Amino acid sequence: EGQLLESGGGLVQPGGSLTLSCAASGFTFGNFAMSWVRQAPGKGLEWVSHISGIGRTSNSADSVKGRFTTSRDNLKNTLYLQMNSLRADDTALYYCAKHLVGWDVFELWGPGTLVTVSS
Amino acid sequence: IVLTQSPGTLSLSPGERATLSCRASQTITSTFLAWYRHKPGQAPRLLIYGATSRATGIPDRFSGSGSGTDFTLTISRLQPEDFATYYCQQYASLPRTFGQGTKVEIK
Repeated sequence: EGQLLESGGGLVQPGGSLTLSCAASGFTFGNFAMSWVRQAPGKGLEWVSHISGIGRTSNSADSVKGRFTTSRDNLKNTLYLQMNSLRADDTALYYCAKHLVGWDVFELWGPGTLVTVSS
Repeated sequence: IVLTQSPGTLSLSPGERATLSCRASQTITSTFLAWYRHKPGQAPRLLIYGATSRATGIPDRFSGSGSGTDFTLTISRLQPEDFATYYCQQYASLPRTFGQGTKVEIK
């Protein structure tokens, strides 16, 4: 089934930037679409973005469009989330998730990495 | 598509049956609806996709039903590990959206 492990979270000031990484293992990474999903403190789950297996297509939520960029390096088995112009409401636990093949549902999740946007 | 889950909290005892509802603001085509269980401090786990199909390794006490705008997750006999928050998610259209969650707590 595999494993996912996010990294790169931390404390950043409003307006700052941060890049999250998600290292995948135990499956053929390039065969699967991937997503980022976040959970703000005390809130529910929010889909952030997804990217196709070969990285040719991606989509993102309106709340992050123009600020966040999703990419992947299939040779390094790694998914990325470049976050710019961060705001306080971007504070959340960020999960990367592997799609079930052929479906836009998330069959494998990492433990998450916490991003805190605060001055 | 906005997903509204009810009730917000469900208080039940182990062994009881749980019925969770997810209502969509517009028809979800091709039953592109999933359910997840999320325990504190853990990653969410996929339970159901395609409204009715159990994910790999999910026991048969979990079942999904529904179509159009109304969907249900049923847990036939609650086990201790089932006390958690449950989310529905639609993948019929962008942006992908989740419901706000139903918390199943021990009565």
